[in-house]
Parts: sequence; C-alpha cells; structure tokens
Amino acid sequence: GAGVSQTPSNKVTEKGKYVELRCDPISGHTALYWYRQSLGQGPEFLIYFQGTGAADDSGLPNDRFFAVRPEGSVSTLKIQRTERGDSAVYLCASSLSPGTVNTGELFFGEGSRLTVL
Amino acid sequence: AQRVTQPEKLLSVFKGAPVELKCNYSYSGSPELFWYVQYSRQRLQLLLRHISRESIKGFTADLNKGETSFHLKKPFAQEEDSAMYYCALINYGQNFVFGPGTRLSVLP
Repeated sequence: GAGVSQTPSNKVTEKGKYVELRCDPISGHTALYWYRQSLGQGPEFLIYFQGTGAADDSGLPNDRFFAVRPEGSVSTLKIQRTERGDSAVYLCASSLSPGTVNTGELFFGEGSRLTVL
Repeated sequence: AQRVTQPEKLLSVFKGAPVELKCNYSYSGSPELFWYVQYSRQRLQLLLRHISRESIKGFTADLNKGETSFHLKKPFAQEEDSAMYYCALINYGQNFVFGPGTRLSVLP
C-alpha cells in the first residue's frame, strides 16, 4: 500500500467491552509503533515492535492493553474491559528500522478514534 | 527520564512575520531531535531532523545542547504553515518521545 493503514477509523464502544485496532504498516518496514493521543496532548508512546517481537512495551498503561504482530507485518492493539479514560486517537507508525540516524522517520497512519461510552 | 516540553500551546503570528516555536528537552545522552507537523486533515509527518541540518519549507532548527533546546524557526511565516507542530526525540530505547505540541496560526 501507499502508506500506513489503520482500521477502523472510528470505533464507538461501551464501557467494559473488548476492542481491537488494526495497523497495516508500509511494506518492508521492520519497526512498528503504537501511540495514543488524547485531546490537546502529544502522541504518547505505548509499544514498539521490531519484527515480530515487542522491543519495548513500557508505555502500555496496564494489563488491559496488549498488542501483537505475529508475522512481522500487520499489528493488532487489543484493549480489554474498556474504560471511558481509554477514549483517544490511537496512532500507528512504521519505519524502516528503529530510529536510526539514516531513517529516523516515522510514517504515521490516520489513526483510529476510540470512544468509550 | 526523557522529556520534551513545548511551552506554547498556541502561537499566532501575521503572515510575513518571523516565527519561533520553542522546544526544550531533558535527556541524559546525545539526543537525536526532530520536528513533526500535522496539517489540517492530514497525518502526522516528519518536517525536519537535526542530524540533517536541512531547511524544509523555509524552517530550520538548531540543536543547542547547552540550553537543551531545539527551537523551530522561520523568517517569514506563510498562511500554509498553520498546523500543529510536535518536537520529538529518540530515546535510548529507540522509541520516539513527543512533546505536547504547539498550534501555529498564521493570520492573513
């Protein structure tokens, strides 16, 4: 594809429900990042994958949040027992390799807007 | 801990006026810094990186390690520069830490 694709673009759910957000990175990009952006805030790091493995998941707020990238391409962010405070735009980004001097460029998707009622 | 601060939430300037968006960082090490921009109804994208020492769309940014700053400057603002600007650094874990952003509004 031409760029990073995220689905769904909008998701409205009820408190307590389970949600999955999908990210399809640019072909060939080995690094994949998930960020969360609340209104008026900058992107907040959640997790970063290098290939299939989570290289850094220190940003996941609690054990309700989980992400996978089983084949080193598409990634799914999973949120269990959603809470109203989870409402935000979830951004996915990919890069050729993790933050090296020669790349250092994240290519972002348009985001998935999650609203928990 | 690595942190990026942008003290101005909103900056308004008139077309043709100089603009400076402030960014300060805290990082124990040699930082790699970036400016990302989000225009209305577009995705977040890289504007420039300090390692390249480049000027993009008339914008430049100089890394000042003594003041731990990486301010973004343009001598003559244009209306199409109106956007959200985010300063970011790569931390030791190879992930990006973003600042809270500054909304630049260039008035006609």
